[in-house]
Amino acid sequence: QVQLVESGGGLVKPGGSLRLSCAASGFTFSDYYMSWIRQAPGKGLEWVSYISSSGSTIYYADSVKGRFTISRDNAKNSLYLQMNSLRAEDTAVYYCARKNLYYFDYWGQGTLVTVSS
Amino acid sequence: NFMLTQPHSVSESPGKTVTISCTRSSGSIASNYVQWYQQRPGSAPTTVIYEDNQRPSGVPDRFSGSIDSSSNSASLTISGLKTEDEADYYCQSYDSSNVVFGGGTKLTVL
Repeated sequence: QVQLVESGGGLVKPGGSLRLSCAASGFTFSDYYMSWIRQAPGKGLEWVSYISSSGSTIYYADSVKGRFTISRDNAKNSLYLQMNSLRAEDTAVYYCARKNLYYFDYWGQGTLVTVSS
Repeated sequence: NFMLTQPHSVSESPGKTVTISCTRSSGSIASNYVQWYQQRPGSAPTTVIYEDNQRPSGVPDRFSGSIDSSSNSASLTISGLKTEDEADYYCQSYDSSNVVFGGGTKLTVL
């Protein structure tokens, strides 16, 4: 069965950095686009970034462009999100999701990132 | 970029039918597929409708999706409401380089 397990969340000060990881299993990871989607406490879903199956195509939301970097290691079945210059408004649960053409068919349980001094 | 606008909340009684709308601010609703996700408290979202009106396996046929070009909106209809349907529902679409979520609708079944 498809499993996506995020890790790497935690408390970080404004201006700091954090790297999230997502371990995938139960499917051929290298066949799928992958994405990060976040949800601030009590708020709605916000798409952050997605990466093509080979890693050659990457898109970011304007809110994170220039600060966040998505990457993947198909040999390790893993997806990453390097987050720099973090702000209070980046506080959210970050979900890893598999992108199936036009939609996200599997989601992890999320990892909480808190940006606070 | 376009926006997707949903009502903040809707409520209905068990056994009844409810419809949640999702209006696209610019560009045609028909130009890109619309998806719908259900999110129960404390859980990750799950897909209930994809590609405008397709149901993933395991989603009951009480859930249906449609689009209306005249109002430039998509709709999620849930019939025969059950208390377990109480959740937040999000629409989602995309364009060439962006993914857009609606703000979400809290469905209360009372």
